[in-house]
Amino acid sequence: NAGVTQTPKFRVLKTGQSMTLLCAQDMNHEYMYWYRQDPGMGLRLIHYSVGEGTTAKGEVPDGYNVSRLKKQNFLLGLESAAPSQTSVYFCASRRGQRLGPTNEQFFGPGTRLTVL
Amino acid sequence: GIQVEQSPPDLILQEGANSTLRCNFSDSVNNLQWFHQNPWGQLINLFYIPSGTKQNGRLSATTVATERYSLLYISSSQTTDSGVYFCAGNNDMRFGAGTRLTVKP
Repeated sequence: NAGVTQTPKFRVLKTGQSMTLLCAQDMNHEYMYWYRQDPGMGLRLIHYSVGEGTTAKGEVPDGYNVSRLKKQNFLLGLESAAPSQTSVYFCASRRGQRLGPTNEQFFGPGTRLTVL
Repeated sequence: GIQVEQSPPDLILQEGANSTLRCNFSDSVNNLQWFHQNPWGQLINLFYIPSGTKQNGRLSATTVATERYSLLYISSSQTTDSGVYFCAGNNDMRFGAGTRLTVKP
């Protein structure tokens, strides 16, 4: 049981390049989330998903797109990277309200992205 | 989405001291959870506590959902308690800005 995994762990991009971050969970969770954390700051929600095929915007969605084609995967895309997107990106998953009383959110280890 | 306020923003303690961290929500909240981010950046679950009180060793948490706040108590603090403590809640799991705790030996 690997929990929540993120690929890659580190990445350096040039301005204007595109990339996709992959989040995978093996806990059969319904809900998945993408956050960004800038130095010395809290976590800000980018997008989230409450089930396969559904996504919703969070606090800071601009410049990012997401897809949830499979229940276990949640992809975060940057179409044209900008230096302001330099951050640590965390993925998380949660069981979902209707599946039991305990509904903890679990986090992946993070992806450190630098945009030059 | 709801607004989450955490206090204090920074806290410096001597090893062995006790502390109370607070989390206020702008609206009713469910799925309230406390996390600890260690100095290596890892986010660790502390409590899933939508209401009531829970204890785990030196840590305990209380959520009063009707008054939209939650408290995290740390007793007999240790240097390994250092890091940032976050609370979050609701389906979209919005986070507060965190409380940065430094425990000095």
